[in-house]
Amino acid sequence: DAKTTQPPSMDCAEGRAANLPCNHSTISGNEYVYWYRQIHSQGPQYIIHGLKNNETNEMASLIITEDRKSSTLILPHATLRDTAVYYCIARSGGSRLTFGEGTQLTVNP
Amino acid sequence: GAVVSQHPSRVICKSGTSVKIECRSLDFQATTMFWYRQFPKQSLMLMATSNEGSKATYEQGVEKDKFLINHASLTLSTLTVTSAHPEDSSFYICSARDLTGGLSYEQYFGPGTRLTVT
Repeated sequence: DAKTTQPPSMDCAEGRAANLPCNHSTISGNEYVYWYRQIHSQGPQYIIHGLKNNETNEMASLIITEDRKSSTLILPHATLRDTAVYYCIARSGGSRLTFGEGTQLTVNP
Repeated sequence: GAVVSQHPSRVICKSGTSVKIECRSLDFQATTMFWYRQFPKQSLMLMATSNEGSKATYEQGVEKDKFLINHASLTLSTLTVTSAHPEDSSFYICSARDLTGGLSYEQYFGPGTRLTVT
């Protein structure tokens, strides 16, 4: 699976949009971009995934660049409960998830 | 949504004893379950992949005789830490893959088990 690079930490004000970037310049054509988050001392929680097109669900939006070398996870109205480590993972169907260091997002009041 | 449970959520044991952790998929069948370990302030590290009815595949550096994995049914996998030592103290997390997943094969995670070896 392609390596991903994320900033180690980010801050966001409560109520504002949180935009979390991820670079995956070596991603191959059959690899999806997955986002998970882990709130302290809990198991990871699935957020969203995509292949080429932008995706949106009740939790977040995923914007993937046309060349697929990077993506951005958008939490439209961040709350204090969104404080967590966010992991961006590139994987092909069927492969196991391997986690990098992720981005510690802190939402401030 | 798919739910994965783990039991116990927290366990304290004495050095030299064995501890069993259960992972169950509650509302779906999982042919594959994964076991991760997470030390404080670190990311999750994959330990092994557990396939129903067959032997688990361990990642490099993980001792298969120390971390025994059994995946006897489509809804249950167990991890037994044998002869536990303080350095085995960690947060153990299991994950199950939805049997019905198409190309994307979502994985669902349990809440984790905090093991402390004294």
